[in-house]
Parts: sequence; structure tokens; C-alpha cells
Amino acid sequence: AQKVTQAQTEISVVEKEDVTLDCVYETRDTTYYLFWYKQPPSGELVFLIRRNSFDEQNEISGRYSWNFQKSTSSFNFTITASQVVDSAVYFCALNPTSGTYKYIFGTGTRLKVLA
Amino acid sequence: DVKVTQSSRYLVKRTGEKVFLECVQDMDHENMFWYRQDPGLGLRLIYFSYDVKMKEKGDIPEGYSVSREKKERFSLILESASTNQTSMYLCASSPIIQGSYNEQFFGPGTRLTVL
Repeated sequence: AQKVTQAQTEISVVEKEDVTLDCVYETRDTTYYLFWYKQPPSGELVFLIRRNSFDEQNEISGRYSWNFQKSTSSFNFTITASQVVDSAVYFCALNPTSGTYKYIFGTGTRLKVLA
Repeated sequence: DVKVTQSSRYLVKRTGEKVFLECVQDMDHENMFWYRQDPGLGLRLIYFSYDVKMKEKGDIPEGYSVSREKKERFSLILESASTNQTSMYLCASSPIIQGSYNEQFFGPGTRLTVL
């Protein structure tokens, strides 16, 4: 089965706190891609990062960082020093490459950053 | 600036009406997708198109059809709208680069209410 689990339905933090959004995936493919998207209140999903299964290096982009661990099938997303503008729904997605076009999305985590 | 546009942000229709949701992308992408987004269910794929006049069913195609007569335009059709089709509809496109699927670019969404 191919599946993405985002167990945290909603998280609330106070501005400047660090927060980690969890993503656990299942796939039998050895080659696959993982994504994170942000959906602000305006509704449009915005692409944040793409990672292929052969690249386990962690990535940092400003206040955002991603921790990919194949051993635990996780691709977690951390926001450092959160800001009110980070309030959004965040989706993790899996694209297995076994001849399929399908992107499998998690159910999303709603992050509320309080001033 | 690359863009995916959807014909309406909000739409209210009556049960039994035929509904057209239009999506246009200006990035010359091969792939286009229609999803519906419901609370607690994440994004579910309705239909996918990988070329003009080509389409494949996603996870929940029942009650929907699609049309892709031009590369940039992908239409979702509700043949006879029902109240359980009240939802947020998201269109996306993505390129194929080096034979693999890449990040998707999303439109702003259409919130459809069927009364």
C-alpha cells in the first residue's frame, strides 16, 4: 500500500517557537519523491520542497528545515522561530515512480501561530 | 510568473445542474490534475490528463468527467451535481522532466456548493 500519514491534525504555537510537522510514508518503491506544500488561507497550495529517495541529506532553507530518514520512513518539517505568516495547512505528499502519475497526499496539518 | 488559474473562486449550483469547472495553465505542462479537498480527507485525485485528449481516472471519478481539448486547458464536469459534491476543487499541473514527475503547481481552488 502507498500511504502518507500526518498524525498531527492541528498544532498551535506561540510566535518565535520552533515547531515540527511529522510525515510518515509507506511505499514499496525504491525510487520515489517526497514533497511538502503549504496552503495559506487564500487556498492555493504552494510548493516548498521536493526530495528524492536517494538523497537523505537534510535541507535547510531560511527558517525551514527538512529531516528525511528512510530508516523510519519519515520526512519531517521544522519551522524555526515561527511567525504568524506561517499559519497555514501543510501537506506532505509522496510520488512513487513505479510507472504511476499518482501523488499521494497526507490529510494535512493545520498550524496556527499565535502572536 | 507561472500560473494556474481556475474560472471561479466560489460557485453555488442546484442539485441536478451540469457544472463546468475550468482550469488553465500557462507553463506548457504536460500533466494536469483535478483534486477535491475535504476536511480530514486531504486531497483526493478525481482525474488526471497527461496529454491533449488523454485522461485517466483517479481515486474518485464517479459523478465526474473531464475534457482536455487543448494542452493548457483542463475542464472538470459534474454531469448532474449532487449535494455530496459540495467541496473545494483544486486544479494542478506539472511538467515531466527526465521522465519523472515533478512538483505540482496549483490553482487557487473553486469552492463549490451544491444546494
